[in-house]
Amino acid sequence: QAQLVESGGGVVQPGTSLRLSCAASGFTFRNWGMHWVRQAPGKGLEWVAVIWFDGNNKFYIDSVKGRFTISRDNSKNTVHLQMNSLRAEDTAIYYCARGIAANGYYFDYWGQGTLVTVSS
Amino acid sequence: QSVLTQPPSVSGAPGQRVTISCTGSSSNMGAPYDVHWYQQLPGTAPKLLIFGNNNRPSGVPDRFSGSKSGTSASLAITGLQAEDEADYYCQSYDRSLSGSVFGGGTKVTVL
Repeated sequence: QAQLVESGGGVVQPGTSLRLSCAASGFTFRNWGMHWVRQAPGKGLEWVAVIWFDGNNKFYIDSVKGRFTISRDNSKNTVHLQMNSLRAEDTAIYYCARGIAANGYYFDYWGQGTLVTVSS
Repeated sequence: QSVLTQPPSVSGAPGQRVTISCTGSSSNMGAPYDVHWYQQLPGTAPKLLIFGNNNRPSGVPDRFSGSKSGTSASLAITGLQAEDEADYYCQSYDRSLSGSVFGGGTKVTVL
């Protein structure tokens, strides 16, 4: 059974940085694209970023381009989200999700999420 | 404002049938990319409910069904149960944005 466990969330001030991690187990990690999806308090889901199985392609939502970087280490079965220049509007639960590419893609496994709060 | 449009809420009595609509555009569902649905129970992570427009993952009751036509999709729940009270999200891929998009979510209330 696939399992994803996020870590690294916390309370930070605007303009600072945070690095989220997602540890994967129960499946062949290097074969799968991985995503980050976030959910602001009381709000809906928002896709943030994807990294392809080999790490060679990465895509981001416009609001985080140039500030966030997704990366992966296939030797350690982990995916990261480096978040710089954080803003109040980045406050959210950040979920790591495994993506299945099929006429677009969807997310079949999700982690429990890690909360990021950006506040002065 | 979400790229995919869902009603904020729907409700029904136990045993009834409810449907949730999801409306997109020519750059996502009309492209035509598939639509997928997720159930999020209070305080938990989303769970895949329907993939590829009308397919249920193993373990999802057949009370849940999906359909898609053009730029619109819908999720139907038949025989509504108290445990179905949750938020439901549709999701697709948008070629103009080069990324995934979600609907704003629909809260299902069991009366």
